[in-house]
Amino acid sequence: EPEVTQTPSHQVTQMGQEVILRCVPISNHLYFYWYRQILGQKVEFLVSFYNNEISEKSEIFDDQFSVERPDGSNFTLKIRSTKLEDSAMYFCASSWGGQSNQPQHFGDGTRLSIL
Amino acid sequence: GQQLNQSPQSMFIQEGEDVSMNCTSSSIFNTWLWYKQDPGEGPVLLIALYKAGELTSNGRLTAQFGITRKDSFLNISASIPSDVGIYFCAGQTWGAQKLVFGQGTRLTINP
Repeated sequence: EPEVTQTPSHQVTQMGQEVILRCVPISNHLYFYWYRQILGQKVEFLVSFYNNEISEKSEIFDDQFSVERPDGSNFTLKIRSTKLEDSAMYFCASSWGGQSNQPQHFGDGTRLSIL
Repeated sequence: GQQLNQSPQSMFIQEGEDVSMNCTSSSIFNTWLWYKQDPGEGPVLLIALYKAGELTSNGRLTAQFGITRKDSFLNISASIPSDVGIYFCAGQTWGAQKLVFGQGTRLTINP
């Protein structure tokens, strides 16, 4: 069964450094998402992306964050200057359509640890 | 903002028992989803519900979309050790792409 793949599985970064998290969505999917899960808490929506632009974002997704699909297969999340509170699991998801009847499928996540 | 209240937060049961968990919201959702998360992995979709009142099964799992569109429940019958994990409900409103997640129910099974 096709799946969303994410790399790396674990990223350790010094506070203030830039980090890029990578995702390869399911191949025929058109909508891409990033979510995060702080340890022990619920999964929170960050951003959705369609047709090479952001279609929806949460208040968490501030100017420190950016997304892009540089080569038609990878979907990346960049955090420009990391803070301690950015430590979390980051999940990429994809869906064929953006409507509420098109379920989102998640990758296994990247654990980001900020020191 | 929109919030989902999921209960119970944790459950400790014996293998073979049935399990029931639910999610409630103060606002309406057009889609309810149930995911399971194993340690170190991402949420895996179990059941998707699209119509108020809909009752859907996936093997030993059964979920219902409440008729008010403000709640959903998930039942697991005859639990087995591999059912251990965290179960999340998620809701989505028409026209929005984001999923709103509940806090999760941690299921532990004693053999």
